[in-house]
Amino acid sequence: GNSVTQMEGPVTLSEEAFLTINCTYTATGYPSLFWYVQYPGEGLQLLLKATKADDKGSNKGFEATYRKETTSFHLEKGSVQVSDSAVYFCALSENQGGKLIFGQGTELSVKP
Amino acid sequence: GAVVSQHPSWVICKSGTSVKIECRSLDFQATTMFWYRQFPKQSLMLMATSNEGSKATYEQGVEKDKFLINHASLTLSTLTVTSAHPEDSSFYICSAREYNSPLHFGNGTRLTVT
Repeated sequence: GNSVTQMEGPVTLSEEAFLTINCTYTATGYPSLFWYVQYPGEGLQLLLKATKADDKGSNKGFEATYRKETTSFHLEKGSVQVSDSAVYFCALSENQGGKLIFGQGTELSVKP
Repeated sequence: GAVVSQHPSWVICKSGTSVKIECRSLDFQATTMFWYRQFPKQSLMLMATSNEGSKATYEQGVEKDKFLINHASLTLSTLTVTSAHPEDSSFYICSAREYNSPLHFGNGTRLTVT
């Protein structure tokens, strides 16, 4: 079946450090891929998405590229801020309107 | 933007009682709603999918008689945890969408069963 695997957290970085959170997936078809963010005490928010191979999703300085050959969708940011501290979830959906399958989440803590 | 309101944000109940969680779409028609359960430090596990006016479709391993889902209107879905036990303590999250538009999440409900 379909599944998503993320690197384990927590990840602790200093402000302005480079961030990478790895995400790989298993799917039978050609899924859409997503990154969601959950700030403390809040619900999940869509951070970015990509719907086909080689697409790059970007938002708020975060980027992720849909790599079909490595079945990956790693999240990157060049310079993190304290306000980026949150839990990040990678997810896939087999079809538009379909259910989301989430990875286990990666907690990011950015220190000043 | 689209808002999904989930209520209550936290609830404590005694073992054996039932508790209802509401999920409302405030400014769009929620044709489909999803209910998730999240354990500490773990991912969101999809429990069921409901389309307005239809019976919910439950994921494998989720007891439909224990987790009753009602999606009677285009703005409201409810999850009732019946005869709750301590192992049902968890964080429950709803999400909603209007047809194929982006998914919006509620802020979740922390359930503690004593």
